[in-house]
Amino acid sequence: DAGVIQSPRHEVTEMGQEVTLRCKPISGHNSLFWYRQTMMRGLELLIYFNNNVPIDDSGMPEDRFSAKMPNASFSTLKIQPSEPRDSAVYFCASSATGGNQPQHFGDGTRLSIL
Amino acid sequence: GDSVTQMEGPVTLSEEAFLTINCTYTATGYPSLFWYVQYPGEGLQLLLKATKADDKGSNKGFEATYRKETTSFHLEKGSVQVSDSAVYFCALSSNTNAGKSTFGDGTTLTVKP
Repeated sequence: DAGVIQSPRHEVTEMGQEVTLRCKPISGHNSLFWYRQTMMRGLELLIYFNNNVPIDDSGMPEDRFSAKMPNASFSTLKIQPSEPRDSAVYFCASSATGGNQPQHFGDGTRLSIL
Repeated sequence: GDSVTQMEGPVTLSEEAFLTINCTYTATGYPSLFWYVQYPGEGLQLLLKATKADDKGSNKGFEATYRKETTSFHLEKGSVQVSDSAVYFCALSSNTNAGKSTFGDGTTLTVKP
């Protein structure tokens, strides 16, 4: 079974540029989560979707961040304009419906904003 | 709201030592409890889980028992190996919130030969 697939694995760009991170969840999973991980702040939930609908975006740090899930097999996280403090590893995770289901994480996108 | 408190790290052990990483939680209702492991350069992956009180989750020599009376889910392993060096996260998930999980801060384990 293919796991959660994220692209790109690494992204280096200059501040002010638009960044788009992509995620393909596991087929059949109803929930999708975007996280950010840094040494200083640890693992932070940014936003999550259920059945393609955003449920809670209270973790999105600023209006510069936006996320979409146009269908069950694809989601994007966009930062526009990017800033150096956005440098982090961004993870996407998916899970089947039900509180007793674990989350399955992708390998992350390591983002560096110069 | 829900919360998870993990033993602070980092933890450094010699190979074959006994491991305990403490985890306590606060939640309404009857959450499911999880331990995840993160190896360098990778995402978190499920290590074990327990879905009701007194359940014991186990995998790869690791164990944790869901203790409702002490609201705890401590991770244990009898004999650690160098390859167990990683960051360990305790997490809970309530049956509401579409599978959203609350994670602890993570505990870094280093095992020395």
